[in-house]
Amino acid sequence: SYVLTQPPAVSVAPGKTASIACGGNNIGIESVHWYQQKPGQAPVLVIYYDNDRPSGIPERFSGSKSGNTATLTISRVEAGDEADYYCQVWDSSSDHVVFGGGTKLTVL
Amino acid sequence: QLRLQESGPGLVKPSETLSLTCTVSGVSMSTSGYFWGWFRQPPGKGLEWIAHMYSTGTSYHNPSLKSRVTLLADTSNSQFSLRLTSVTAADTAVYYCARLYGDYNSGWFDPWGQGTLVTVSS
Repeated sequence: SYVLTQPPAVSVAPGKTASIACGGNNIGIESVHWYQQKPGQAPVLVIYYDNDRPSGIPERFSGSKSGNTATLTISRVEAGDEADYYCQVWDSSSDHVVFGGGTKLTVL
Repeated sequence: QLRLQESGPGLVKPSETLSLTCTVSGVSMSTSGYFWGWFRQPPGKGLEWIAHMYSTGTSYHNPSLKSRVTLLADTSNSQFSLRLTSVTAADTAVYYCARLYGDYNSGWFDPWGQGTLVTVSS
């Protein structure tokens, strides 16, 4: 089965840039979506189709892909960005939805 | 504005069936052309996709759960439901419903319901 690998944790100082990686075989041919989940809350979509932002999501959030890795980048990080972040794809070889294991972003 | 709300028992006994309903408001399930999905998140763990379905019945399932999962749509009441049979403590989780947006095989899930905690215990 398809596996998406995320680092368990990323730490960043306020005002700096956070990069959260999501690795998967041939992820370049899949559409990658990213969700933010704060404690006790439901996930919220922050990036869809690799690098598109839903309305209401700050421009500080962006997505990219290179090789077998997709990356969520958060610029000018704020305390309110502290959350768990999950990547998601549709595995075209099996017709299944796959989530990464999640990355806890800590703002120092 | 589209909103989803999960409902159902918060406590289920081992070996019994977990039944949850997601009520959709702000859009017609029967005419909107969307898929509707179920997910879960065990305490302190990550998100897990359970399945998603179209209002006509076409569905896609997580293979690890497929033998125990049934999805039903009641478009007249703007609801869709999840049934998970033979539950064990490992099925204890917050269960979420969400709409699939975009293509059925490449889309994303938005918005999500607030989630409901289901505990499996005797």
